[in-house]
Amino acid sequence: RKEVEQDPGPFNVPEGATVAFNCTYSNSASQSFFWYRQDCRKEPKLLMSVYSSGNEDGRFTAQLNRASQYISLLIRDSKLSDSATYLCVVGLQDYAGGTSYGKLTFGQGTILTVHP
Amino acid sequence: DAMVIQNPRYQVTQFGKPVTLSCSQTLNHNVMYWYQQKSSQAPKLLFHYYDKDFNNEADTPDNFQSRRPNTSFCFLDIRSPGLGDAAMYLCATSRGLAGDTQYFGPGTRLTVL
Repeated sequence: RKEVEQDPGPFNVPEGATVAFNCTYSNSASQSFFWYRQDCRKEPKLLMSVYSSGNEDGRFTAQLNRASQYISLLIRDSKLSDSATYLCVVGLQDYAGGTSYGKLTFGQGTILTVHP
Repeated sequence: DAMVIQNPRYQVTQFGKPVTLSCSQTLNHNVMYWYQQKSSQAPKLLFHYYDKDFNNEADTPDNFQSRRPNTSFCFLDIRSPGLGDAAMYLCATSRGLAGDTQYFGPGTRLTVL
């Protein structure tokens, strides 16, 4: 079983649509949760962190359910510029060589295409 | 201004010919990471440095090595590239905590002929 699982899509939606992505993670010790966005042939960039209380950033809403080990991202009023791959990411504090470090594990991403 | 810089952006090498990819940062972060990302796959952590302490992921092949001569620079050396090593190589930095943002460079796309 993959540590972070996402529906790879692709999701093809018209402008203005609402779209939701889901993600599950297997390690109950995970401590931090994120959504990253990756444009074609570019690097991942942080979209938003995800908190247990749920959080919103403009048109984007993220939810975390620790009991179910489930993370979601809702995009309202989709724009053409939202077309990208959305990566679900979980982090934990790992230990190696006598030091601790933040380790991120990425899902394979969900492809979103917003069309006119 | 770019905070994590990777050079070159595109690298073509021959099967078995050693190659070095470089990464530099202006963030003064403690931790530098190297990821490998193949097409339609998740970025996969190869190793990281916490300051000068190097740590390999358990499944990172011996073919991959790294050097961090100072806080700002980190290198990825591929000693004998195989066709399966063709990928995007991403460098990232963070302060080191699980909740800290990792800042990625633009990546180096490696082609092996």
